[in-house]
Amino acid sequence: GDSVTQMEGPVTLSEEAFLTINCTYTATGYPSLFWYVQYPGEGLQLLLKATKADDKGSNKGFEATYRKETTSFHLEKGSVQVSDSAVYFCALRRIQGAQKLVFGQGTRLTINP
Amino acid sequence: EAGVVQSPRYKIIEKKQPVAFWCNPISGHNTLYWYLQNLGQGPELLIRYENEEAVDDSQLPKDRFSAERLKGVDSTLKIQPAELGDSAVYLCASSLDAVNTEAFFGQGTRLTVV
Repeated sequence: GDSVTQMEGPVTLSEEAFLTINCTYTATGYPSLFWYVQYPGEGLQLLLKATKADDKGSNKGFEATYRKETTSFHLEKGSVQVSDSAVYFCALRRIQGAQKLVFGQGTRLTINP
Repeated sequence: EAGVVQSPRYKIIEKKQPVAFWCNPISGHNTLYWYLQNLGQGPELLIRYENEEAVDDSQLPKDRFSAERLKGVDSTLKIQPAELGDSAVYLCASSLDAVNTEAFFGQGTRLTVV
């Protein structure tokens, strides 16, 4: 079945450091890929998405590129801020068949000033 | 525009008791989802509605869980009787449709069964 594997957490960085959170997936066909973020005490929010191979999603300084050849969708940010501290979830959704979001286990990110 | 509203935010019950969660999706959203999020895990789909029809309930433990979405608007998820292992966060989400549009999540209901 479909699955998403994320980099193990928690991740702790200093402010202005470079961030990478790895995400790989297994799915039938060519799913859409997403990164969701969950800030403390809040619901899941869509951070960015990509719907086809080589697409780059970007938002709030975060980027991720849909790599079909490596079945990956790694999240990156060049300079993190304390306000980026949250839990990040990679997810996929198939276009056909089971049209549900399948999530990774989440990566908790803490940014220290 | 109001987001997805869930209530209650927190619930503590004794095992074997019933519990219900309520979700009001964003106005006009036809698709409604209930997800279960265990501690340290990503959300897993329990049930998906298209309007009032449950189109994917394959992951819903039907011996104790039930859900309804009367009139295709708000929805209720019920557990009867609750077990210790049901302690988790129950998330509701909605989207305009199931394929091409973003799913918006509520803040969730954190259930603790003691």
